Amino acid sequence: DTAVSQTPKYLVTQMGNDKSIKCEQNLGHDTMYWYKQDSKKFLKIMFSYNNKELIINETVPNRFSPKSPDKAHLNLHINSLELGDSAVYFCASSQATHFLAGGSSSYNEQFFGPGTRLTVL
Amino acid sequence: QQQVKQSPQSLIVQKGGISIINCAYENTAFDYFPWYQQFPGKGPALLIAIRPDVSEKKEGRFTISFNKSAKQFSLHIMDSQPGDSATYFCAASLGNYQLIWGAGTKLIIKP
Repeated sequence: DTAVSQTPKYLVTQMGNDKSIKCEQNLGHDTMYWYKQDSKKFLKIMFSYNNKELIINETVPNRFSPKSPDKAHLNLHINSLELGDSAVYFCASSQATHFLAGGSSSYNEQFFGPGTRLTVL
Repeated sequence: QQQVKQSPQSLIVQKGGISIINCAYENTAFDYFPWYQQFPGKGPALLIAIRPDVSEKKEGRFTISFNKSAKQFSLHIMDSQPGDSATYFCAASLGNYQLIWGAGTKLIIKP
């Protein structure tokens, strides 16, 4: 069973087009994220939703718009694609909990999807 | 102050050697320090994590050493294996939701 899934895995498109990436998690988590990973592997948080409410909205062009129809889904829509948008986009989810005594693995562990490689030509 | 600085950017270690990756932070409000491992073509996955009230955490061949006064923490991989070749990210948590990520270290273990 795939915990966090993304579609499509690869997306090749022309500049100026509009595209969407879908994400679904079956972990029952309340919080979902979108990250952008550039060619140097740097992970940049873009957005985060908690129970369908936007809680993190980093400085990204307003051509990027997240949509969360329910807490298991967080989609990313990108308008007017530019060359610089080429990257791997990762969806992630987490169940934010208080730190458990004697353990650390459940505290805000983020589970990542397999990524969507976007290439803008 | 929100940054987590990670070094080195890349690291080559012989099989059986010790791999060491270092991170430093400024914000003393951080309360959780995870390390994530990312294989090519995959998303990052949690490897090991530590709280600042603990100086060391060990899981198998992976150990986090934490120095609260120096505001530094490091990942040690003992008996490094070719299967450990991956990109490693340190991170620090601000509250329940947001992780501040290091820039990543590409680790190559030579057979």
